[in-house]
Amino acid sequence: GDSVTQMEGPVTLSEEAFLTINCTYTATGYPSLFWYVQYPGEGLQLLLKATKADDKGSNKGFEATYRKETTSFHLEKGSVQVSDSAVYFCALFYNQGGKLIFGQGTELSVKP
Amino acid sequence: DARVTQTPRHKVTEMGQEVTMRCQPILGHNTVFWYRQTMMQGLELLAYFRNRAPLDDSGMPKDRFSAEMPDATLATLKIQPSEPRDSAVYFCASGSAGRTGELFFGEGSRLTVL
Repeated sequence: GDSVTQMEGPVTLSEEAFLTINCTYTATGYPSLFWYVQYPGEGLQLLLKATKADDKGSNKGFEATYRKETTSFHLEKGSVQVSDSAVYFCALFYNQGGKLIFGQGTELSVKP
Repeated sequence: DARVTQTPRHKVTEMGQEVTMRCQPILGHNTVFWYRQTMMQGLELLAYFRNRAPLDDSGMPKDRFSAEMPDATLATLKIQPSEPRDSAVYFCASGSAGRTGELFFGEGSRLTVL
């Protein structure tokens, strides 16, 4: 079945470090891909999305490129801040199926 | 500022009691999802609705859980009887079928069953 696999956390970085959180997916069709972020004590928020191969989603300095050949959607940021500390979820979505399938989440902790 | 509203935010109950969680989706959204989040299992999809009709509740334990949408402004998730293993944070999310995959989440209902 369809699934999403993320790199395990927690990921601990110093402020201004470069961030990569790996995400790969297994899908039978052509899903849209998403990154959601969950700050402590809150619900998830959409961070960015890409709807087709080679699309790049970006928001708040974060980027991810939909790579069909490697079935990946890795999240990157050039310089992280303490305020980026959160749990990040990769997800895929089929319009036909109508449901969002999440990875297990990767906790990021950024130290000053 | 439109948002998904969930009640209660916190609930502590004893095993065997009935628990009802409520969700008010964003006005105009026609899809509603219920997710459960635990440390061990992560985010699990329990059920979802489109235009108030249940589309998939395969992730929900049928013997004790039920989900309904009595009207477009209210979704409910009921557990009867509750068990300690139901302790989790339950999230409701809503979206529009025209903006697929873009869901707005509530702040969650943290349930503790003793």
